[in-house]
Amino acid sequence: KNEVEQSPQNLTAQEGEFITINCSYSVGISALHWLQQHPGGGIVSLFMLSSGKKKHGRLIATINIQEKHSSLHITASHPRDSAVYICAVRVITQGGSEKLVFGKGTKLTVNP
Amino acid sequence: DVKVTQSSRYLVKRTGEKVFLECVQDMDHENMFWYRQDPGLGLRLIYFSYDVKMKEKGDIPEGYSVSREKKERFSLILESASTNQTSMYLCASSLILGLAVYNEQFFGPGTRLTVL
Repeated sequence: KNEVEQSPQNLTAQEGEFITINCSYSVGISALHWLQQHPGGGIVSLFMLSSGKKKHGRLIATINIQEKHSSLHITASHPRDSAVYICAVRVITQGGSEKLVFGKGTKLTVNP
Repeated sequence: DVKVTQSSRYLVKRTGEKVFLECVQDMDHENMFWYRQDPGLGLRLIYFSYDVKMKEKGDIPEGYSVSREKKERFSLILESASTNQTSMYLCASSLILGLAVYNEQFFGPGTRLTVL
């Protein structure tokens, strides 16, 4: 079983729809990241959170530490939101450092 | 803005060749990372470095080595490239690690390596 599970794997929406992408993890973490990857490969960090909720424009990220679950919401979706959204959790390595463990990503397509 | 650059966007090599992938960051970050990304598998950590000349194995270090002689530069080396190392390679950097610092990672544009 993967340490980080995302759902759905693929999501197609119409412009204007409210979108939710889910992430569940099975390990102890110090933080959770949501990342966005556009075609062509570039990855940007959207959110980094360890509790509660964060909002940036039309994007909202929530995390429930007890349930080991996070959601990324996009309000009033737009075709430019089409990308792969990746959940990553920060875990402590055997050497005492920290590393990110990634979900496999959710490919979102927003049609006009 | 933090900038992480990678030496090539596309690279084609032959089986058995020694391959160097270079990554440079311009924000004095302590930590640098090399990942590979494959369809259906997501991003996987190959190696990371938390200081000059320091390195730690990630989840899939076999067939790879790294070098960090200067703080801004982190190199990934494929000693003898094989076809199963055909992949997208992404470099990232971050400021410092630690439970008290919720730092984000900044990614380079990626190098798509094909080994024939």
